[in-house]
Amino acid sequence: KNQVEQSPQSLIILEGKNCTLQCNYTVSPFSNLRWYKQDTGRGPVSLTIMTFSENTKSNGRYTATLDADTKQSSLHITASQLSDSASYICVVRRSKTSYDKVIFGPGTSLSVIP
Amino acid sequence: EPEVTQTPSHQVTQMGQEVILRCVPISNHLYFYWYRQILGQKVEFLVSFYNNEISEKSEIFDDQFSVERPDGSNFTLKIRSTKLEDSAMYFCASRADRSGNTIYFGEGSWLTVV
Repeated sequence: KNQVEQSPQSLIILEGKNCTLQCNYTVSPFSNLRWYKQDTGRGPVSLTIMTFSENTKSNGRYTATLDADTKQSSLHITASQLSDSASYICVVRRSKTSYDKVIFGPGTSLSVIP
Repeated sequence: EPEVTQTPSHQVTQMGQEVILRCVPISNHLYFYWYRQILGQKVEFLVSFYNNEISEKSEIFDDQFSVERPDGSNFTLKIRSTKLEDSAMYFCASRADRSGNTIYFGEGSWLTVV
């Protein structure tokens, strides 16, 4: 069954600290994996996108990793800011040759406190 | 930066009433999507639309749902007879083309069925 799981479910960190969010998936065939940031009541905003051949990709203070063999990804946030408080969603897209569908993880709720 | 726009931002409707949610995808995008997110739950795929027809739909997208691209710019989601469990945030999204990896989301339309 095509699924995306994320951990932890929620996380509270102090401003300025780093954190790492995890994503495991069983989606097949795999096309790409994205991390989205979703503020409460808003639409998801793309942070990074990684294809099968990419291991690491950075976007400012966000660094995503992908291990396609173990089907795991992580999102590392460096020097967290209060504005980083949001839900972070891992989204996996199935192969372009398959149906055009993406599968969402349940998200990790991050709270950054002063 | 181009964006996907949705209207209304919030709608309250009585059970059994018809609702139309409107979306203006990014100009020149070819693939269109509707997703929904029930409060506190993960984002769920509803339907994808390409070349003026549905390319894929989920089990959620039953006969009470329909989509339409009436004039080449708008992309609508109609719920014929709303139920209490249809209360959710509905997100419209668009993608440029088959090779485009990023799906751009609108800000969502909150639907409350009472």
